[in-house]
Amino acid sequence: EIVLTQSPGTLSLSPGERATLSCRASQSLTNNYLAWYQHKPGQAPRLLIYGASFRATGIPDRFSGSGSGTDFTLTVSRLEPEDFAVYFCQQYGYSPQTFGQGTKLETK
Amino acid sequence: QVQLVQSGAEVKEPGASVKVSCKTSGYTFSNYAIHWVRQAPGQRLQWMGRINAGDGNTFYSQKFQGRVSITTDTSANTAFMELSSLRSGDTAVYYCARLLLSLAGPYYDYWGPGTLVTVSS
Repeated sequence: EIVLTQSPGTLSLSPGERATLSCRASQSLTNNYLAWYQHKPGQAPRLLIYGASFRATGIPDRFSGSGSGTDFTLTVSRLEPEDFAVYFCQQYGYSPQTFGQGTKLETK
Repeated sequence: QVQLVQSGAEVKEPGASVKVSCKTSGYTFSNYAIHWVRQAPGQRLQWMGRINAGDGNTFYSQKFQGRVSITTDTSANTAFMELSSLRSGDTAVYYCARLLLSLAGPYYDYWGPGTLVTVSS
């Protein structure tokens, strides 16, 4: 199965700064079938990005996704206080779908 | 608005079974598949299986084959995941998620908040 490796494990930044999160796949993803989710404790994960670069409905444009093949990036251009959470990637092009281990974005 | 509401936390003894519910609202239940994913402490999310709510067709991860059963009650717009022969390694948060089929592939557009299942004697 495809292994997704996210880096860094923890990212410490301040509101207003730019966050860059990485997700690397163990093999090239079909059709860039990669999604990003935001997850806060006790809440449902929230879809941010699908197809590597398409923002989900209602997601602010400070969130953007990029990349192809094996290397993907989630960028938050200017962090808001509500953006501090865990972010994980998921590939859904190969069965079984698999998930990254997550990046915790914390307040510096 | 689309909502997936899951049943409350459970504590089970080893060898027992647990059944977690996922009540949906805000959309036509039979038009989507519901998937179940779990996350054990310190581990990444792991896909368990899915059910097509329209026809009841199921497909399970081989890792759980024989121990997991996913069903629906279409009259209640609810999906269920039952896991049997529980062991300590099954301690995890269990999530249901709705699968959206799109031109950008099949991905989860809505998730439930998770149900903590603790297996302990």
